[in-house]
Amino acid sequence: GAGVSQTPSNKVTEKGKYVELRCDPISGHTALYWYRQSLGQGPEFLIYFQGTGAADDSGLPNDRFFAVRPEGSVSTLKIQRTERGDSAVYLCASSPERTGTGELFFGEGSRLTVL
Amino acid sequence: KQEVTQIPAALSVPEGENLVLNCSFTDSAIYNLQWFRQDPGKGLTSLLLIQSSQREQTSGRLNASLDKSSGRSTLYIAASQPGDSATYLCAVRSFSGGYNKLIFGAGTRLAVHP
Repeated sequence: GAGVSQTPSNKVTEKGKYVELRCDPISGHTALYWYRQSLGQGPEFLIYFQGTGAADDSGLPNDRFFAVRPEGSVSTLKIQRTERGDSAVYLCASSPERTGTGELFFGEGSRLTVL
Repeated sequence: KQEVTQIPAALSVPEGENLVLNCSFTDSAIYNLQWFRQDPGKGLTSLLLIQSSQREQTSGRLNASLDKSSGRSTLYIAASQPGDSATYLCAVRSFSGGYNKLIFGAGTRLAVHP
């Protein structure tokens, strides 16, 4: 596709459940980012991939959060034992720059609601 | 630690006005700065990217300036239209914050009424 694609667009789950959010970046983009945005706030950095490896995961809030990008393209953000505080919009972005310093292009986001 | 602040938090103006949105950052050692637009319930659309060596960038009715020494950027919107209504976010990539991540402000919510 032409842009960054994220699925699902909306996810409602119960506290304690496991959730996976998928990101399909722009073709050829080597850098991929996950951000989390709460209502009325700017996005907060979670993790950055360069190729298949997580170059910076310093934004992951705790060990319930994990992300993979096994083939250097599609990425999955995984959240275990979800809590109500995990409710937010999860945004994925990609960039063509190998240095991780280029312009970012964002997807529409996945809105997660934990009941 | 890099912190980004955007003023005002919200702005409501009549159509046709020229607007100035402000962004300030605490650590002036930045790599670049990017302005985004976000419509309600949508993702972020990149508007302008300014590298640290540049003073400004222009795209149509939008002009963004960068003053690294004072830690400020300004987004100027000329002849505002109702379609400009959205949240505008400023984000910086800095050496202290880890150059590979953007640090965002909370945004300015703009409403342009006919």
